[in-house]
Amino acid sequence: AQTVTQSQPEMSVQEAETVTLSCTYDTSESDYYLFWYKQPPSRQMILVIRQEAYKQQNATENRFSVNFQKAAKSFSLKISDSQLGDAAMYFCAYRSAGETSGSRLTFGEGTQLTVNP
Amino acid sequence: DADVTQTPRNRITKTGKRIMLECSQTKGHDRMYWYRQDPGLGLRLIYYSFDVKDINKGEISDGYSVSRQAQAKFSLSLESAIPNQTALYFCATSEPRGPKYNEQFFGPGTRLTVL
Repeated sequence: AQTVTQSQPEMSVQEAETVTLSCTYDTSESDYYLFWYKQPPSRQMILVIRQEAYKQQNATENRFSVNFQKAAKSFSLKISDSQLGDAAMYFCAYRSAGETSGSRLTFGEGTQLTVNP
Repeated sequence: DADVTQTPRNRITKTGKRIMLECSQTKGHDRMYWYRQDPGLGLRLIYYSFDVKDINKGEISDGYSVSRQAQAKFSLSLESAIPNQTALYFCATSEPRGPKYNEQFFGPGTRLTVL
């Protein structure tokens, strides 16, 4: 079974600064997808960024980028120019590419990000 | 209008009561999921459904049951609620093909408190 670990329960960053959230995972599969979800106080789960394991290039979405290290099974999220609206709980998630998994997600424990003005 | 809706949004109930959480979607997706979120544990899968006739247990299905009444509706039931089922519950959908086939779409969540 796959597992996802986020070792930082809480992180804080100053507005306009850069912060990196860590995520490691364990799997025996070679083809899979990785995601970062944001959960603001509204509780809504919002997809921030995704990475396909077969792609060597790191995904980027505006101020959000990832550092995907397949051999190390590491998938960190970098938020540049942090904004007050980035304050939220962030979840790392894994999804097998195999059809038998039913596209279900395995989540990490979450990292609560605080942005200080 | 939201693509994935959940009712109720908040619910307080007592130990031993039967409760149903409902999820509806207008995305036309075949696959639907129920997760629960607990502090420090992230989200964990309770049940998932490939289609109306295909329902599967997730990692924490004990104490829960589900019903897929139609492609658009997937309900989660707690037959006899207990306090450790107090959690935030999410419904999600996905499609097995198309440009967003590797993405899940979440409802707004239901906060359930069992006293």
